[in-house]
Amino acid sequence: EVQLLESGGGFVQPGRSARLSCAASGFIFSDYAMTWVRLAPGKGLEWVSTISGGGGSTYYADSVRGRFTVSRDNSKDTLFLHMNSLSVEDTATYYCAQNWKIFKSWGQGVLVTVSS
Amino acid sequence: DIQMTQSPASLSASVGDRVIITCQASQDITNYLNWYQHKPGKAPKLLIYDASNLAAGVPSRFRGSGSGTDFSFTIISLQPEDIATYYCQQYVNLPYTFGQGTKLEI
Repeated sequence: EVQLLESGGGFVQPGRSARLSCAASGFIFSDYAMTWVRLAPGKGLEWVSTISGGGGSTYYADSVRGRFTVSRDNSKDTLFLHMNSLSVEDTATYYCAQNWKIFKSWGQGVLVTVSS
Repeated sequence: DIQMTQSPASLSASVGDRVIITCQASQDITNYLNWYQHKPGKAPKLLIYDASNLAAGVPSRFRGSGSGTDFSFTIISLQPEDIATYYCQQYVNLPYTFGQGTKLEI
């Protein structure tokens, strides 16, 4: 059974940084691209970033490009999202999802609240 | 970016009802469309991929159809456990975009 478990959320001041992690199990992690999707309060789902299985290719939404960096450690079956220069607009629940294009499995999400 | 216009934004229905949600793309996306179910505090769940294919383990009361720019998602006979928000999502081009969501209530 595929399991994805996000961690690293919490309260962050505007302009500061945070790092999210997603621990994966139940599948061959390096065989799959991985994706971050977020859900802001009162809004719909928003694709944030995708990284290829080997980590060599990364893709970002315009809203986070230049501030967020996606990475992965295939030796530890873990996905990361490094978030810099956070603003209140980044307040959301962040989900990691298996695959790109068709998000087959998702984690339960981690809440990031950006507030002073 | 491809805009996905989903309607209605909310819907109230009764157990046993047939429920239909529509999703319109701002340009032709052939059949590169998925549908997800999201319950509060839970992981979103893939229900339909490639517009009409049922994901593994998903009950057959969920159906998807359409191609090009117009798509629909149907729950043939609404069950209490179907209370959730439903989203369409296109993946023909980056950025992958979602509809605004349809909140389904009983």
